[in-house]
Amino acid sequence: QVKLQQSGAELVKPGASVKLSCKTSGYTFSTSYMSWFKQIPGQSIEWIGMIYAGDGGTGYNQKFKGKATLTVDTSSSTAYMDLSSLTTEDSAVYFCARGELLLYGVMDAWGQGASVTVSS
Amino acid sequence: DIQMTQSPASLSASLGETVTIECRASEDIYNGLAWYQQKPGKSPQLLIYNANSLHTGVPSRFSGSGSGTQYSLKINSLQSEDVASYFCQQYYDYPWTFGGGTKLELK
Repeated sequence: QVKLQQSGAELVKPGASVKLSCKTSGYTFSTSYMSWFKQIPGQSIEWIGMIYAGDGGTGYNQKFKGKATLTVDTSSSTAYMDLSSLTTEDSAVYFCARGELLLYGVMDAWGQGASVTVSS
Repeated sequence: DIQMTQSPASLSASLGETVTIECRASEDIYNGLAWYQQKPGKSPQLLIYNANSLHTGVPSRFSGSGSGTQYSLKINSLQSEDVASYFCQQYYDYPWTFGGGTKLELK
């Protein structure tokens, strides 16, 4: 079955960067899209951006341009998200989620989430 | 950006009851709408896509309807495992945006 396994919780200092990973299995990684989302507990969900694993092409929510960088490693079927210049406003749970090739705006499988806490 | 307004923000219902959650888009999203269920501490799970298509494995008591700017999620015969938060998401235009969520509790 489709699985998305995210890396663990991170505690980082303001101004630092963090790289989150999302290791996939159970489907053909290179013919799907991966999106990333931000959710502050108790609040709604924000779409950060997406990457097509086939060629690394990306699309970002303007709000997160310069903050998030999405990459993939097709050899390990893993997607990554780099978050830079972190502030307390970046403290949240981050999810990766798969979008299928023809309906990539619909997230039919999600990772378990990774908590990022930005604190000095 | 397309704004998604979801109502109600919270809802209390009894087992076996039918509940309806509404989602209004700030412009026509041409059925580019999905519904997700999220239980506390868990990731969202897809219920409905294309406004009214049931995702594989989702119980048939869940249904979606609507068009244009107005959409709804209906849960027939509420079960205890349906206690969760529900979110609508539009994917018609970038950036994809979500409603504020509806927290469903048992009465």
